[in-house]
Amino acid sequence: AQSVSQHNHHVILSEAASLELGCNYSYGGTVNLFWYVQYPGQHLQLLLKYFSGDPLVKGIKGFEAEFIKSKFSFNLRKPSVQWSDTAEYFCAVKTGRRALTFGSGTRLQVQP
Amino acid sequence: EAEVAQSPRYKITEKSQAVAFWCDPISGHATLYWYRQILGQGPELLVQFQDESVVDDSQLPKDRFSAERLKGVDSTLKIQPAELGDSAMYLCASSLEGGQLYQETQYFGPGTRLLVL
Repeated sequence: AQSVSQHNHHVILSEAASLELGCNYSYGGTVNLFWYVQYPGQHLQLLLKYFSGDPLVKGIKGFEAEFIKSKFSFNLRKPSVQWSDTAEYFCAVKTGRRALTFGSGTRLQVQP
Repeated sequence: EAEVAQSPRYKITEKSQAVAFWCDPISGHATLYWYRQILGQGPELLVQFQDESVVDDSQLPKDRFSAERLKGVDSTLKIQPAELGDSAMYLCASSLEGGQLYQETQYFGPGTRLLVL
């Protein structure tokens, strides 16, 4: 069975700082990878997804993620965070038509 | 923009009582998922439907939980009897995936927050 690890549980940054959130998965076959975001009081929203092709994926709001197959990683990045990026971020993996398997999430707090 | 609807948004109940949650997926979405999210953790699948059929309920505690999607549209998740450990957020999601379609995005509803006293 697949699993997802997010090593950063709580990250605090100042506005304009760069962000990188780690995500590693365990599964030997083909995977689809996702980052979802949950803003305070809102429901889970898709930030970006990787299915195939270019391993550098660009999402909404200036976020991007890079799939490194050899490292089983799909880290999320943003060059300059804003206060409005304060949220919880979840990495998820999907194999075939199975449901998503989520990591435990990273709570990002951006200080103005 | 079409959204997944869930009700109620909040539910407080006493242990041993029965509770039910309702989900209406985005129109035309063949696949429907129920996830449970315990505070501080990521969502975990309870049950997956394709149309009216259960695809995966391996993580559903079947002694107390049941789920149905009778006409392949909306769905109900029931807990009877509720236990203290069932306190969590119950999320519904849907996707177009099914038939010849795969690699489709899952869209989530706002969730039902359950508190069992």
